Amino acid sequence: DAKTTQPNSMESNEEEPVHLPCNHSTISGTDYIHWYRQLPSQGPEYVIHGLTSNVNNRMASLAIAEDRKSSTLILHRATLRDAAVYYCIPTKTGNQFYFGTGTSLTVIP
Amino acid sequence: GAVVSQHPSRVICKSGTSVKIECRSLDFQATTMFWYRQFPKQSLMLMATSNEGSKATYEQGVEKDKFLINHASLTLSTLTVTSAHPEDSSFYICSATKQSASTEAFFGQGTRLTVV
Repeated sequence: DAKTTQPNSMESNEEEPVHLPCNHSTISGTDYIHWYRQLPSQGPEYVIHGLTSNVNNRMASLAIAEDRKSSTLILHRATLRDAAVYYCIPTKTGNQFYFGTGTSLTVIP
Repeated sequence: GAVVSQHPSRVICKSGTSVKIECRSLDFQATTMFWYRQFPKQSLMLMATSNEGSKATYEQGVEKDKFLINHASLTLSTLTVTSAHPEDSSFYICSATKQSASTEAFFGQGTRLTVV
């Protein structure tokens, strides 16, 4: 399983963009890069995933480095509801998730 | 998005008793379901992988006789914590993947187990 390195915590002002980095230098060629987030006392929520190309959806954008050893989750305008722990997880299709420690995002009003 | 429901959301049981947690995929058939455990201020830890109709695959260090997993149908998996002790108190979370090709997993809302 590819190991990941994420900052323990980050802060952002409300309505500003947030860039959450993740290093996954041991990722294998067939691993997708998933991002999930978790609010306190809730199950994780899917955010976005990608393989090689950058991805956009209604929640966020995912920028994947050309060598796939790192990726960045971009929240275009942070809201208070985006305050959560964000996990990046390299994984194979339909396979188990091995969660790292994630980044705790604080959004300042 | 797809919905995965866990029941109960909270349970308190006495030490030495067993407790069953249900995980249901409400609007899709789940080929595979996963069970995780999360202690306070820690990350999720994968306990086991459950495929419908076959025995669960447990992660290293997880006691299969203590954490019984049954996946009898494509929409239901159960986790039974047998002879629970206070150290088993934790947040238990299940997830499921769709039968069709999909890379994302859908998580339940979690079950808070307290053993007294």
